[in-house]
Amino acid sequence: EVQLLESGGDLVQPGGSLRLSCVGSGFIFSNYAMSWVRQAPGKGLEWVSAIAGTSETTYYADSVKGRFTIYRDNSENTVFLQMNNLRVEDTAIYYCAKEGLIVGKSQFDYWGQGTLVTVSS
Amino acid sequence: DIQLTQSPYSLSASVGDRVTITCRASQSVRIYLNWYQQKPGKAPNLLIYGTSSLQRGVPSRFSGSGSGTDFTLTISTLQPEDFATYYCQQSYSTPNTFGQGTNLEIK
Repeated sequence: EVQLLESGGDLVQPGGSLRLSCVGSGFIFSNYAMSWVRQAPGKGLEWVSAIAGTSETTYYADSVKGRFTIYRDNSENTVFLQMNNLRVEDTAIYYCAKEGLIVGKSQFDYWGQGTLVTVSS
Repeated sequence: DIQLTQSPYSLSASVGDRVTITCRASQSVRIYLNWYQQKPGKAPNLLIYGTSSLQRGVPSRFSGSGSGTDFTLTISTLQPEDFATYYCQQSYSTPNTFGQGTNLEIK
């Protein structure tokens, strides 16, 4: 059974940093691209970032480019999202999602339960 | 970026109804269009991928069609558990954008 488990969400002040983690199990982690998708309170879904299975390719939404970094450790079946210079508008539930074999070219077939990031002074 | 516009924004229907939700893309996404269901407090759940392929475990009352810029999600016979928010998403190009969502409510 495929499972994704996020952690790392917290309350942080504007300008602060946070690192989210997502551990995958039940599939060959290194074979699949992974993404982060967020959802602000009461709003819709927003894709944030994606990384290929072997990390050779990464993508970012314009809203986070230069502030967020996605990376992965396939030996630990974990994908990370390093978030720096956080803004109030980054407040959201952050989901990690499993993609297909080609980053940015497939559906999100499994999702974690989400981790809440709140940016507030 | 490719924009996805769903209609209607909100929909009231009754158990047993046939419901159709549409998704229009600002440019062609070929068949790279996916549909998700989200219930309150839960993560999204993949229903349909590649325009019309049913994800494993999803009931056959859900179906998808379309190509290019115009797509539809149809629920043939609404069940009580289908009342939720539905999102389309394109995986043709990055950023992989989502539609704004359609809230399906009980009439």
